[in-house]
Amino acid sequence: NAGVTQTPKFRVLKTGQSMTLLCAQDMNHEYMYWYRQDPGMGLRLIHYSVGEGTTAKGEVPDGYNVSRLKKQNFLLGLESAAPSQTSVYFCASRRTLIGPQHFGDGTRLSIL
Amino acid sequence: ELKVEQNPLFLSMQEGKNYTIYCNYSTTSDRLYWYRQDPGKSLESLFVLLSNGAVKQEGRLMASLDTKARLSTLHITAAVHDLSATYFCAVDPDSGGGADGLTFGKGTHLIIQP
Repeated sequence: NAGVTQTPKFRVLKTGQSMTLLCAQDMNHEYMYWYRQDPGMGLRLIHYSVGEGTTAKGEVPDGYNVSRLKKQNFLLGLESAAPSQTSVYFCASRRTLIGPQHFGDGTRLSIL
Repeated sequence: ELKVEQNPLFLSMQEGKNYTIYCNYSTTSDRLYWYRQDPGKSLESLFVLLSNGAVKQEGRLMASLDTKARLSTLHITAAVHDLSATYFCAVDPDSGGGADGLTFGKGTHLIIQP
């Protein structure tokens, strides 16, 4: 049982480039989330989804877009990367609204 | 806007000692979570606290929730080196019903020295 899988694990981009981070979960969870983690800041919510075909903005959505075309996948896109988006990105999912979120291993993204 | 504050943010302690990490939050909620993160790793769920007065224990760690005081504690008993990690508390605000993600504290970086 793989749980939550994030691809890629590491990436270096140049300012202005675009890329997509993939999150896949095999637990049939309805709810999925993208967070970013910066030193000393904890985790901050970027976007989330309450089911296939739905997305919503979190605390820090600017510069990111998301899509959830299939229940098991949640994609995070950076259209024009900026150095301020250098961070560790975590995807999470949960089965119910009173259970814990299950996290992937993270994607370490550096933007030069 | 929900705010979650942890203290201390850094803690260095000796093996065998006891200590408590505090988590305060600013709006009503009865769903609070504790996570552990090792350096360069993902977040591991430790405790799920779902009601006022909830207490959960696992090994040397015990977590509690007081929803009236908007306070959760994570108590470490007779610390051992393997407990060195960063500990996060996270809150589901009542207003969102839990669908709109967790609000995290900044984390407590715990170092346990022999």
